Amino acid sequence: AQSVTQLDSHVSVSEGTPVLLRCNYSSSYSPSLFWYVQHPNKGLQLLLKYTSAATLVKGINGFEAEFKKSETSFHLTKPSAHMSDAAEYFCVVSPSGGYQKVTFGIGTKLQVIP
Amino acid sequence: EAGVTQSPTHLIKTRGQQATLRCSPISGHTSVYWYQQALGLGLQFLLWYDEGEERNRGNFPPRFSGRQFPNYSSELNVNALELEDSALYLCASSWDRRNYGYTFGSGTRLTVV
Repeated sequence: AQSVTQLDSHVSVSEGTPVLLRCNYSSSYSPSLFWYVQHPNKGLQLLLKYTSAATLVKGINGFEAEFKKSETSFHLTKPSAHMSDAAEYFCVVSPSGGYQKVTFGIGTKLQVIP
Repeated sequence: EAGVTQSPTHLIKTRGQQATLRCSPISGHTSVYWYQQALGLGLQFLLWYDEGEERNRGNFPPRFSGRQFPNYSSELNVNALELEDSALYLCASSWDRRNYGYTFGSGTRLTVV
């Protein structure tokens, strides 16, 4: 069984300040983990992924995430928020291999205040 | 490289009708996934096709069905439409079944009136 919990449904930051979007997971298998971003009325875009290589993963648009097995966390961070970062972010867990389906978190809406 | 394309972008149907949504995966991708994103419910997994076969199915009634064609494109059919079927339907593709990251289309917005 697997699950993913995004700890905040809404996060509000000022432009230029750091962003932290929190994600905890549980998985019976060694998981792959992903972050996706969805801008209004758009599909989902892959930001970054962890697939058992380096625990610190760098993604697009300055985002990165760190896989912490002991804390079962995969938090998404960015040093300085930009107005264009305002969107909804989804944390996703997937067992590596096989026909198991992936599990999406409920999403975190990021608001960036000018 | 062309991304995942979905058609139509918007679809309005009357309750009880049938809707057909289409998805073309990225060239070389053999797996196609369908998700429903209804307001307030997040992304709900619908169906997963790989190499022309249905591999997994979410908790949706049988009136949600689909298929994958030999060219790996896919169709999602929703029969006997209900008002609560109104949602954004997203299709994603990946190059293999190991789920190393999907590429999503922009979705089809289905409105049932």
